[in-house]
Amino acid sequence: DAKTTQPPSMDCAEGRAANLPCNHSTISGNEYVYWYRQIHSQGPQYIIHGLKNNETNEMASLIITEDRKSSTLILPHATLRDTAVYYCIVSNTSGTYKYIFGTGTRLKVLA
Amino acid sequence: KAGVTQTPRYLIKTRGQQVTLSCSPISGHRSVSWYQQTPGQGLQFLFEYFSETQRNKGNFPGRFSGRQFSNSRSEMNVSTLELGDSALYLCASSLETGVNSPLHFGNGTRLTVT
Repeated sequence: DAKTTQPPSMDCAEGRAANLPCNHSTISGNEYVYWYRQIHSQGPQYIIHGLKNNETNEMASLIITEDRKSSTLILPHATLRDTAVYYCIVSNTSGTYKYIFGTGTRLKVLA
Repeated sequence: KAGVTQTPRYLIKTRGQQVTLSCSPISGHRSVSWYQQTPGQGLQFLFEYFSETQRNKGNFPGRFSGRQFSNSRSEMNVSTLELGDSALYLCASSLETGVNSPLHFGNGTRLTVT
C-alpha cells in the first residue's frame, strides 16, 4: 500500500496561502491522491483529489509533481475556519479498496 | 442533499455489552465504509459494503461486524465490548466503490465503554 508522509504541524497567517506538502514516493500509476481535512469533533471532509494533472475546486488547488511522488495542497486565502488536521492519502488499487489515513498535518491559521 | 447521518451521536456502554451503530448514506450512494478513530491509532479502516456485500475488511477482531441493507443504509455491531473499543466511529459513503470516488463522512458516533 502506498504510504504518505506529511509534516506533523504547520502555521499560516490568516489571508495568506497555506501550502501543505505530501510525499507519496511509492504511488502506483493508477492511484489517486486524495486530501481530506478534519475539524475538531467532526468527521473528515473531502477537499480534492487528482491522478496526475493539477486540480482546482472552490476549496483548494492540488499540485502533483510530474513524477507523482509528491503533491501540495494549496488553500489560497486561509481563514481561521481552515484550522484543522489535513490528511493526504493515496487510493488503494490492490483490489482491497480502502484508505490508509496517516497522522496528517495539523494546520493552525493565525489571526 | 442531506449528508451522511450517523446515530446515535453519543453512546455509553459497559464492558461485555454489545452495541449497534447506524449510518444513513447520502442519497444515491451505494458504498458505505466504517472507520474507528482513537487518539493513539488515528483513523483505521473497519470494513466497506457495496450493494449489501462486504467488499473489504480491515484488521479488526470478529467482534466487529456490519451489514448493509437494500436501501444502502448500514449498521455496525460490536459485541463483548472492551474498554479499548472506546472511540469515535465514523461512517463514510461514496457513489461507487473504487479509487475515483471520494468518501463523504458523517460526524460519527462517540462510544464510551466503562
